[in-house]
Amino acid sequence: DVVLTQSPLSLPVTLGQPASISCRSSQSLVYTDGNIYLNWFQQRPGQSPRRLIYKVSNRDSGVPDRFSGSGSGTDFTLKINRVEAEDVGIYYCMQGTHRPPGFGQGTRLEIK
Amino acid sequence: VQLVESGGGLVQPGTSLRLSCAASGFTFDDYAMHWVRQAPGKGLEWVSGISWNSIHTGYGDSVKGRFTISRDNAKNSLYLQMNSLRADDTALYYCVKDQDMDVWGKGTTVTVSS
Repeated sequence: DVVLTQSPLSLPVTLGQPASISCRSSQSLVYTDGNIYLNWFQQRPGQSPRRLIYKVSNRDSGVPDRFSGSGSGTDFTLKINRVEAEDVGIYYCMQGTHRPPGFGQGTRLEIK
Repeated sequence: VQLVESGGGLVQPGTSLRLSCAASGFTFDDYAMHWVRQAPGKGLEWVSGISWNSIHTGYGDSVKGRFTISRDNAKNSLYLQMNSLRADDTALYYCVKDQDMDVWGKGTTVTVSS
């Protein structure tokens, strides 16, 4: 099975400062159709996960443009331009290229 | 678009439970569906998935042979039959829409304990 490794696992950030989360895959996530099925999810305290980014870099409807995704092959990054209080929570990467689909361990973002 | 899970509860080890997910606001039979779980204080774990027409199903290693996913497109519903439940099946179970998991329900809690 594909293993997704996120870093850091804990991310203390000052309000207004940028944040970056890495997700590395044990295998290339390029599918036979040329797409890369790597998504990012945010889980705020006490809430269900919410998809932020799909296919590496596409923001979901309603997601602030301070969130961006990038990467290729096996290395992917979620960036937050200027962290706001509402961004506190756990962030997960997820791959849907290979079966079974799977998630990274999660990165807990907190405000310093 | 809404997904509402039900059927969770407190059960003893070795028993069975059937979860349901009622879908609304989209054309249910156009999409694959998944069950994803989250044990207390832990991360997300994919449990099972099913194609739009039920032809293809898949299971995580930890539930293979014990859980069965199914759907009824006429009722816009997704199900998870869970047999031989173990303590480590204790989790919040989410119903999730589509291969890319774009919509999640609020979840239903399953607690397996004697």
